[in-house]
Amino acid sequence: DIQMTQSPSFLSASVGDRVTINCKASQNINRYLNWYQQKLGEAPKLLIYNANSLQTGIPSRFSGSGSGTDFTLTISSLQPEDVATYFCLQHNSWPRTFGGGTKLELK
Amino acid sequence: EIQLQESGPGLVKPSQSLSLTCSVTGYTITSGYDWSWIRKFPGNKMEWMGYISYSGSTNYNPSLKSRISITRDTSKNQFFLQLNSVTTEDTATYYCARFITTWGQGVMVTVSS
Repeated sequence: DIQMTQSPSFLSASVGDRVTINCKASQNINRYLNWYQQKLGEAPKLLIYNANSLQTGIPSRFSGSGSGTDFTLTISSLQPEDVATYFCLQHNSWPRTFGGGTKLELK
Repeated sequence: EIQLQESGPGLVKPSQSLSLTCSVTGYTITSGYDWSWIRKFPGNKMEWMGYISYSGSTNYNPSLKSRISITRDTSKNQFFLQLNSVTTEDTATYYCARFITTWGQGVMVTVSS
């Protein structure tokens, strides 16, 4: 199985900050990497698919980059409603595997 | 708008089978995509368990292959998870999803005597 190492596992930032979250794959996954946001008690929401494509309806402050083994989710200006857990998913090969998650809180 | 809703017992005894239902509205499960079960363990580790495709074929995570079965009832637009011989390590929140895009809210299942 492809191992996904996500960092950091916890992040505290202020409103307006630029926030970055990273995922590293144990082998090449091309651009088959998605980012999700999950708020407490809610279904996970797809933010970014195929490394850098913004899902319809997601604010443009969210962006994704990377290919191969190293990927980044960036929030350009943190908003209070962005408090959530974020996780990555590789769908290059079966079984699909997840990063460990990043819990984002407001400072 | 597509919606997925998981349902099933919240408590299962060790060695028994866990059975969950995913009810889909807003899209017909035979029209396309694969239809998955995913789980999130206490401590937040997640596992993609398997899927049933729109055509009815299945694909399971090798870590579960001997214990898992995913089936469907197309007349009710539902698909199902059965996980056999459960242990306390199967305690998790279980989600159903369409492909890698749309998820249900999840249902918490505890395995305990």
